[in-house]
Amino acid sequence: DGGITQSPKYLFRKEGQNVTLSCEQNLNHDAMYWYRQDPGQGLRLIYYSQIVNDFQKGDIAEGYSVSREKKESFPLTVTSAQKNPTAFYLCASSIMRGGTDTQYFGPGTRLTVL
Amino acid sequence: KQEVTQIPAALSVPEGENLVLNCSFTDSAIYNLQWFRQDPGKGLTSLLLIQSSQREQTSGRLNASLDKSSGRSTLYIAASQPGDSATYLCAVPYNYGQNFVFGPGTRLSVLP
Repeated sequence: DGGITQSPKYLFRKEGQNVTLSCEQNLNHDAMYWYRQDPGQGLRLIYYSQIVNDFQKGDIAEGYSVSREKKESFPLTVTSAQKNPTAFYLCASSIMRGGTDTQYFGPGTRLTVL
Repeated sequence: KQEVTQIPAALSVPEGENLVLNCSFTDSAIYNLQWFRQDPGKGLTSLLLIQSSQREQTSGRLNASLDKSSGRSTLYIAASQPGDSATYLCAVPYNYGQNFVFGPGTRLSVLP
């Protein structure tokens, strides 16, 4: 059963803590993406990776970090430097680099700062 | 930089109506345009992808059209059903196709 999994579904963070959101795909896709979604707004790109061991900043990368050590995994760390991290985080992947193919999305992680 | 807008922001219709959702983009040099559906608290599901060389795509009761020259796409939903209630987003690639920009979405409610 192919797809994208994200964990956890809900995450609570105290101020000053770093937290890591997991994203795994078994679709054999090259490209992976992290988006942030706030109420009433479209998705905003945090980071993307077109190939293993390489990733690029998106529009709102400050306060976030990623790694791409394996093709199927693209974890996102929300650091204490991110001043307003409460949001819904979505991971996606696509088969080809270059944005010519459909993006497939995971179910999302809702992060709340206490 | 590419910008994407969607009108209306919210729409409420009785069951059975045909309806049109609108998506506009500022840079017409796009590879494709995608329409997605998002249920509350869930991820996005791809509905239709229109390549830049195409003018429309159909899937069941859904029909999406693309007019690159005017920077517009429409999503037509025929014979709407309560199960169609969701937020519909459009997205286009940018930065030489390496990433995507999304519209804010149209929140659709179909009343039984």
